[in-house]
Amino acid sequence: QVQLVESGGGVVQPGGSLRLSCAASGFTFSGYALHWVRQAPGKGLEWVAFIRFDGTNTYYADSVKGRFTISRDNSKNTLYLQMNSLGAEDTAMYYCARDLSGTGDFWGHGTLVTVSS
Amino acid sequence: EIVMTQSPATLSVSPGERATLSCRASQSVSSNLAWYQQKPGRAPRLLIYGASTRATGIPARFSGSGSGTEFTLTISSLQSDDFAVYYCQQYHKWPPRTFGQGTKVEVK
Repeated sequence: QVQLVESGGGVVQPGGSLRLSCAASGFTFSGYALHWVRQAPGKGLEWVAFIRFDGTNTYYADSVKGRFTISRDNSKNTLYLQMNSLGAEDTAMYYCARDLSGTGDFWGHGTLVTVSS
Repeated sequence: EIVMTQSPATLSVSPGERATLSCRASQSVSSNLAWYQQKPGRAPRLLIYGASTRATGIPARFSGSGSGTEFTLTISSLQSDDFAVYYCQQYHKWPPRTFGQGTKVEVK
């Protein structure tokens, strides 16, 4: 069955960096585009970034552009999100999601990022 | 950026009753609209895509309708498992792929 497992979250100081990973299994990873979506505590969903199946195109929300980088390693069935210059506004649960015709048909359980001094 | 607005913010419904949730886009998104269900502490779950197509394994009591700027998610007979927060999302014009702020369906 399709599984997406995020990792790499934790507590980081303002201005710091963190790299999230999303390990995929149960489907042909290299055939699907992927998203990162986040959710601040008690808030709604915010789309963060997208990467094509082959990694040739990436797109970002304005709130993270220039600070976050989405990438993937199809040989390792893994999606990444490199997050730099983190601020309190980046505190959230981060989910990876598989793309189905523009939507997210399978989601991981999420990994929590807390930016705090 | 396309702004998605959901109403109401909270919907109080008794089990077995019908629930109707609304989502409005600030400009046309054609039929490029999805609905998600999220329970506390859980990841979102795709219910509907293409405005009206149920995702794999979604019960028939969930239905979506609409196109352009006005959309509706209907739960025909609420089960105890359906009390959750529901989000709409457009994927017509992006980035960004924008979500509505959510509608919480609670027990009346």
